[in-house]
Amino acid sequence: QKEVEQDPGPLSVPEGAIVSLNCTYSNSAFQYFMWYRQYSRKGPELLMYTYSSGNKEDGRFTAQVDKSSKYISLFIRDSQPSDSATYLCAMRTGANNLFFGTGTRLTVIP
Amino acid sequence: DTAVSQTPKYLVTQMGNDKSIKCEQNLGHDTMYWYKQDSKKFLKIMFSYNNKELIINETVPNRFSPKSPDKAHLNLHINSLELGDSAVYFCASSPAIAREVSEQYFGPGTRLTVT
Repeated sequence: QKEVEQDPGPLSVPEGAIVSLNCTYSNSAFQYFMWYRQYSRKGPELLMYTYSSGNKEDGRFTAQVDKSSKYISLFIRDSQPSDSATYLCAMRTGANNLFFGTGTRLTVIP
Repeated sequence: DTAVSQTPKYLVTQMGNDKSIKCEQNLGHDTMYWYKQDSKKFLKIMFSYNNKELIINETVPNRFSPKSPDKAHLNLHINSLELGDSAVYFCASSPAIAREVSEQYFGPGTRLTVT
């Protein structure tokens, strides 16, 4: 069993839709939770981060962490074609090494 | 200016060859990493390295070796390349101390194809 599980999709939504992306994990020692966005043929870039449980909002993006359920989510409101990318969840303990999910490929259709 | 750069961007080579991928960061970070992303987009840590410590993922074959000539560079050398080594290799860097946000900046990747 991988430490971080993520549905690879692909996920296609119409422009303006609300997108929900999710990951589950098994290591209760994870404390820091991140979402990376990766465009085709590019490196991942950090989109959102949260520490421990709770919500964090940044513009159209909201990250949620539920440590009791070992479940994290990323919501994208009013999705745009430019949001089309692969979204990777990532998490770590107090150390630096990140553990990634497999990524969910999202396409927003104009 | 590119924060983390890698060369080459594409590398096609035959089985059994030895090759190197170079990585440079101009962010002043102390910690650098190498990741492997397979065909299913799964991104997995291979090494993390700072001035003091090399941490190797135990699943990485010893044909892979990181070499750091200085703090801004971490090159990846691969001996006796195999078909299964075909993947995209990403270099990343971050500040030395794992604070609340230890953002890792990724390079653009090197697409390695072994034939």
